Amino acid sequence: GAVVSQHPSRVICKSGTSVKIECRSLDFQATTMFWYRQFPKQSLMLMATSNEGSKATYEQGVEKDKFLINHASLTLSTLTVTSAHPEDSSFYICSAEGGGIETQYFGPGTRLLVL
Amino acid sequence: AQSVSQHNHHVILSEAASLELGCNYSYGGTVNLFWYVQYPGQHLQLLLKYFSGDPLVKGIKGFEAEFIKSKFSFNLRKPSVQWSDTAEYFCAVTSDSSYKLIFGSGTRLLVRP
Repeated sequence: GAVVSQHPSRVICKSGTSVKIECRSLDFQATTMFWYRQFPKQSLMLMATSNEGSKATYEQGVEKDKFLINHASLTLSTLTVTSAHPEDSSFYICSAEGGGIETQYFGPGTRLLVL
Repeated sequence: AQSVSQHNHHVILSEAASLELGCNYSYGGTVNLFWYVQYPGQHLQLLLKYFSGDPLVKGIKGFEAEFIKSKFSFNLRKPSVQWSDTAEYFCAVTSDSSYKLIFGSGTRLLVRP
């Protein structure tokens, strides 16, 4: 099946710094990538949708200036958490869809801890 | 707005017991339905999906799900669970009005050996 990777798997940073998370589709071209946030013992919450070469579409309540998304190629999307604060600590998961297959394949997630 | 309900938040079974996890969605149009599984410490994996055709869908690892349009349901079943099925199971839906994948709240399954 389709494989999606994320890097890093875990990151600890100081409050006020920025963190970049990469999402790659390894064996298919992802026309659309999605970024989710998962709080402990809760379901996934969609943050934004990005299509290659265009601006991301953010869900209501998600600050686009805080969560910068770039989808520069058909295999790579990045999420940058700018000026991170402790409340941004969470599990961030990306998914990718493409090749005419209407199914999202998920990455392993990145656990962010902001001190 | 579309929503997905998973009424069983926690399920505990013994090995070899049969499993049925409920999933109901709220949308009257055309839907695509998915079940994903998240094993402890691992990422979400697709178990099975329904787009059209036979409403009884077979997935990996012996799982199956049945789409019952009149009940807006897509319940997940397995005739005999194993300890290795311990995981969290998420039902999700997209529709003809939205490409977004809407997730249910998940069901944590614990299978006792």
